[in-house]
Amino acid sequence: GAVVSQHPSWVICKSGTSVKIECRSLDFQATTMFWYRQFPKQSLMLMATSNEGSKATYEQGVEKDKFLINHASLTLSTLTVTSAHPEDSSFYICSARDLGRTGSTETQYFGPGTRLLVL
Amino acid sequence: AQKVTQAQTEISVVEKEDVTLDCVYETRDTTYYLFWYKQPPSGELVFLIRRNSFDEQNEISGRYSWNFQKSTSSFNFTITASQVVDSAVYFCALSEFEEAGNQFYFGTGTSLTVIP
Repeated sequence: GAVVSQHPSWVICKSGTSVKIECRSLDFQATTMFWYRQFPKQSLMLMATSNEGSKATYEQGVEKDKFLINHASLTLSTLTVTSAHPEDSSFYICSARDLGRTGSTETQYFGPGTRLLVL
Repeated sequence: AQKVTQAQTEISVVEKEDVTLDCVYETRDTTYYLFWYKQPPSGELVFLIRRNSFDEQNEISGRYSWNFQKSTSSFNFTITASQVVDSAVYFCALSEFEEAGNQFYFGTGTSLTVIP
């Protein structure tokens, strides 16, 4: 299947700092990427939909000024957690759609996730 | 309202037992997709299966089988002869065709522990 990478895989930062997480589609172009957040022992919750070349669409309750999303190319979307606080500590997962892959049953490919710990 | 319901929060079985994980979904779309993912402790989601709403045939893949019933809006997952390596959290997900961007709606997950 297609490969989606995330970097970094884990990050520890001090409260008040900003953290950038990258999501890359390695062997396909993704016009749409999704960012999810997963707290311990909970489900994945969609934060925002990232469309290449346009503004991201945020889910209700997600602060767009705090979680900045940039999808500047067809293979890269970034999520920046600005002024991170301990309550932002979570597992962040991105996924990417590959509309050009015929015969595939997955339709969306998930990255391995980024664990963020804010002290 | 929850679009995907996984009523079983945690399940424990002894190795070699069969186990069924339940998934009930809700949608008004006539075209939609259902998925199962496995999430081991590492956190990375492992794709298991996708089903579209027009294909109600049950599917078997090795020790895994899936029972899709539109009449009851269910898409249950059975592991036969469970193994310790099956221990993980399993998520059922729905993707609606009409939904802009085709986002996924995940269930709350079922944590499966297979005891040796």
